Amino acid sequence: GAVVSQHPSWVICKSGTSVKIECRSLDFQATTMFWYRQFPKQSLMLMATSNEGSKATYEQGVEKDKFLINHASLTLSTLTVTSAHPEDSSFYICSARTLAGNSNQPQHFGDGTRLSIL
Amino acid sequence: TQLLEQSPQFLSIQEGENLTVYCNSSSVFSSLQWYRQEPGEGPVLLVTVVTGGEVKKLKRLTFQFGDARKDSSLHITAAQPGDTGLYLCAGQGSSNTGKLIFGQGTTLQVKP
Repeated sequence: GAVVSQHPSWVICKSGTSVKIECRSLDFQATTMFWYRQFPKQSLMLMATSNEGSKATYEQGVEKDKFLINHASLTLSTLTVTSAHPEDSSFYICSARTLAGNSNQPQHFGDGTRLSIL
Repeated sequence: TQLLEQSPQFLSIQEGENLTVYCNSSSVFSSLQWYRQEPGEGPVLLVTVVTGGEVKKLKRLTFQFGDARKDSSLHITAAQPGDTGLYLCAGQGSSNTGKLIFGQGTTLQVKP
C-alpha cells in the first residue's frame, strides 16, 4: 500500500515554458503533500508543504510565484514551475503523508520528475 | 533549527564487508526514518524508529534509535552490490507539520 505516483517522470522543454508536475496518492488520502528538489548526489531540499484546501507553506528562499502549488483534493497536488529557466533544471520529488491520527506517519515518495530546461 | 548530521557522505567498500552509517543531532526527534534511493527514483522507506533505544532489523540491515532520540545508526552486515545506493535518514521534529529533517545522505558503493 501507500503508493504515490508522480507524472511526468521526465520533461525537457525550452526556456520560458511553464511546466506542471502532478503528484497523486493512489491508495490513500493525503491531507499533506511535500515538494522537494534534489541535486545530483545530494539530499532532498524541502521546497514547500501543501495542505489540502489551503495555501502551501514555502520554505525560506523558495519563490512562491515561481513554484506554484495547488492541492485541490486529498489525492492530488500539482507543482507548476513558471517561466522555467536552465537554473530550474533539477530532480523534483513529491511525497504524501496519510491522514493525521498518528503524528509519526511516514512520508511516501513519488518516483520524481527529471526537469531539463534548454 | 533542527539539523541532522549524517556520516559518512561517501562510502566505497568490497562485497562482504560491514558498514555503519550515523545520523546525529542535538535535537530530539519524535521519530526517525531511513530511506534508500536509487538513481532517478524516489526514496523508498526502509524503517521508522519511534522509541528511544529501539532496534529494528531488516535482513542484513540493523537500525538503532538512540536512547535520547537524538541519533540513529544503520548497520549493514556482509554488504552486497545490490545494497549500492543513497541512504537517507530523516527525523520528524516536534511540530505537527509532518515536515522531515533530512540528513545529507550517504552514497554507498559496494564493489563485487
